[in-house]
Amino acid sequence: GQNIDQPTEMTATEGAIVQINCTYQTSGFNGLFWYQQHAGEAPTFLSYNVLDGLEEKGRFSSFLSRSKGYSYLLLKELQMKDSASYLCAQGGYSTLTFGKGTMLLVSP
Amino acid sequence: DGGITQSPKYLFRKEGQNVTLSCEQNLNHDAMYWYRQDPGQGLRLIYYSQIVNDFQKGDIAEGYSVSREKKESFPLTVTSAQKNPTAFYLCATTSGGAYEQYFGPGTRLTVT
Repeated sequence: GQNIDQPTEMTATEGAIVQINCTYQTSGFNGLFWYQQHAGEAPTFLSYNVLDGLEEKGRFSSFLSRSKGYSYLLLKELQMKDSASYLCAQGGYSTLTFGKGTMLLVSP
Repeated sequence: DGGITQSPKYLFRKEGQNVTLSCEQNLNHDAMYWYRQDPGQGLRLIYYSQIVNDFQKGDIAEGYSVSREKKESFPLTVTSAQKNPTAFYLCATTSGGAYEQYFGPGTRLTVT
């Protein structure tokens, strides 16, 4: 199976920048996804990286290094509403494998 | 109004009973997926279907069954053989391949 590793929990302050890391197994790689999930709700898509480098989308950016099996999600200008779980997922041939998620707590 | 619907949002059952969770989509997507999520855990794949009348087991298919008779519908049955059925169940669709998946609102199943 594919192992996806990401930190269990992170805390940050409103207005700050936070980076959530994710490592994955490089075999069978077909893209790296980030999802946001608020408590009790369904995940919502944030980003998709298939090539190396940084993809910027507003306050959120995602980075991928295929040779290192590494990705990160960068959240800038944190807001209270960013408190959520962030799921890293590796794309395979026809399915996604999800990590356990990183719970981000944003405090005032 | 396109999207994915799952009903009901909350479902309660007694141990030993089978229960079927519905998932309907009008996005015209070919592939549909069922995931299970437990507290503090990521999503684990139960079953998926890439085309009508065909489906494959995911990582934790034991105790579950599915059907795909129509493109729009992919119901999941949680059987009495599933030892720990209480969980949050999420249905997802994609237009094909391992691309962005769109999720329904989920059904929280409690079995006592």
